Amino acid sequence: SQQGEEDPQALSIQEGENATMNCSYKTSINNLQWYRQNSGRGLVHLILIRSNEREKHSGRLRVTLDTSKKSSSLLITASRAADTASYFCATDARATDKLIFGTGTRLQVFP
Amino acid sequence: DTAVSQTPKYLVTQMGNDKSIKCEQNLGHDTMYWYKQDSKKFLKIMFSYNNKELIINETVPNRFSPKSPDKAHLNLHINSLELGDSAVYFCASSQRTGANSPLHFGNGTRLTVT
Repeated sequence: SQQGEEDPQALSIQEGENATMNCSYKTSINNLQWYRQNSGRGLVHLILIRSNEREKHSGRLRVTLDTSKKSSSLLITASRAADTASYFCATDARATDKLIFGTGTRLQVFP
Repeated sequence: DTAVSQTPKYLVTQMGNDKSIKCEQNLGHDTMYWYKQDSKKFLKIMFSYNNKELIINETVPNRFSPKSPDKAHLNLHINSLELGDSAVYFCASSQRTGANSPLHFGNGTRLTVT
């Protein structure tokens, strides 16, 4: 079964607004990663947060992790049309060494 | 300067045929992967190789056979193609084995079986 599920499935916002995507997972993890996928392209790694970290920043990206709730969120501030893409969380289940991807959030940023 | 490159980008073929997808990475990574992305964008791991050695083999039909001639290459051969094989196949690499090493993906091969 899938480890991660993103919420919402789709999100439409105007340029300049903030976009928040959530990821919930089922089993204990060592780390959680976020990826972006532009249409017709491969996934691009954005950020990795370890289970002992609560928040991490990279440019306009802010990721939080709440291991007690088994959830993470990705915040993109001051969004741009170029942020239009699908965003995936990926987790490692502690019992395995595999990276399991969530279902993705499709973000559309209108200029 | 593409880090992970896979060919072809598009592959259209008929049921029953055999086809191959090639992947090469120039990042010097030890580990390579094949992932399958279905029409709902669900991404699932198929295989993982570390330095030419198979380390992950998910429940994939044995019509799918990966081959790694060296640690920079991981090819995927598919025999007796079926309609359900239609998907986008992604090759990826990572510096180390293990799920704590970020993946670098190719741009995918869209396979359409008619």
